Amino acid sequence: GNSVTQMEGPVTLSEEAFLTINCTYTATGYPSLFWYVQYPGEGLQLLLKATKADDKGSNKGFEATYRKETTSFHLEKGSVQVSDSAVYFCALSDRGGANNLFFGTGTRLTVIP
Amino acid sequence: DARVTQTPRHKVTEMGQEVTMRCQPILGHNTVFWYRQTMMQGLELLAYFRNRAPLDDSGMPKDRFSAEMPDATLATLKIQPSEPRDSAVYFCASGLVNMAAIWGNTGELFFGEGSRLTVL
Repeated sequence: GNSVTQMEGPVTLSEEAFLTINCTYTATGYPSLFWYVQYPGEGLQLLLKATKADDKGSNKGFEATYRKETTSFHLEKGSVQVSDSAVYFCALSDRGGANNLFFGTGTRLTVIP
Repeated sequence: DARVTQTPRHKVTEMGQEVTMRCQPILGHNTVFWYRQTMMQGLELLAYFRNRAPLDDSGMPKDRFSAEMPDATLATLKIQPSEPRDSAVYFCASGLVNMAAIWGNTGELFFGEGSRLTVL
């Protein structure tokens, strides 16, 4: 089946620290991979995506590379800011199927000044 | 900016009352999802529609929940009767799937801001 396993949180970092949030997946087909971000009191927003192996998605200083050999899509940012405090969700979409999104459990990130 | 609109944003009701949540998907999108978010369970898929037809509602408690799309611009999620355990944030999301190009679809979904339901 399709599933996503995401690093447990919460994660607390100082401003300008390096961020890694691990994500691994299992999929029956050839999925697209996503990171969504949820700021307090808001819905989920797409942060970045990758649709095929070795693609790198990037946005707002965040990056993630689609690694088919390790079935991973780890999120990284070189220097976090207080405004990055949010919950981050890794997700996959079974493009050959219903296009439903399968979400990880979410990782809460708090960045302190 | 095109966006998914949900109403109400907040709802407080008493156990046993009927609750209806509404969603206006992005114009032109042909797939609509309902998700529920709680601290304990995270994000759970309740139901989804393609071209207004229900494709999967296996995530919904059938005895009290119902989801419909009366037209392409409106999706509804109804709970009757509501219970305290239904307290959660309910999200609607929409996307566009080109059925003629399955492997070309990226699967991206656009989420509304959610309806926070509290059942006392």
